[in-house]
Amino acid sequence: KAGVTQTPRYLIKTRGQQVTLSCSPISGHRSVSWYQQTPGQGLQFLFEYFSETQRNKGNFPGRFSGRQFSNSRSEMNVSTLELGDSALYLCASSLDRDAGGYGYTFGSGTRLTVV
Amino acid sequence: GQNIDQPTEMTATEGAIVQINCTYQTSGFNGLFWYQQHAGEAPTFLSYNVLDGLEEKGRFSSFLSRSKGYSYLLLKELQMKDSASYLCAVRDREAAGNKLTFGGGTRVLVKP
Repeated sequence: KAGVTQTPRYLIKTRGQQVTLSCSPISGHRSVSWYQQTPGQGLQFLFEYFSETQRNKGNFPGRFSGRQFSNSRSEMNVSTLELGDSALYLCASSLDRDAGGYGYTFGSGTRLTVV
Repeated sequence: GQNIDQPTEMTATEGAIVQINCTYQTSGFNGLFWYQQHAGEAPTFLSYNVLDGLEEKGRFSSFLSRSKGYSYLLLKELQMKDSASYLCAVRDREAAGNKLTFGGGTRVLVKP
């Protein structure tokens, strides 16, 4: 079966612009989580969506937002981009509300560079 | 809040064993995960512990002691392809669902 698909793979944006990233989870998975990965901070949780509702939120400013559609696909948006937003953005999906023994399945990520 | 510590880097020889330790402090514990991440690739799920003890999966084993806030990932019969970063992550009981806090990762270098 298809894995978690993230688009685009690479993106270059200018400071002050906004960006939208997309994530299509594995078919049947209803939980989608977003993470930011940087060399200095590692993997940091942004938010999680389950059945179109935001269930958890990390400690990121309001410029970071997301949503989930009825087909479980999710998007995240970053407005007013800053240089520090340059990172690998990873999406992860899980079968149900509790990623226990199955863990998360991560997508390959979107590499965002802000110049 | 949560705090997770793991060594930054480890080096081992092909065929040997390496143990990667992870210590955590959390206000509420609801499971510990280990992931492997090769450079430039997505993390892949290795193991999950929620009760004390050892979980074995082939060459990989993971151990958990909740009272000590401690886990380790044991990699046996190391192969060159095991060179990667290994991430320890804890799920917070107080957050419903899948909010994981990750450690900084341990980069393992396997030498011939």
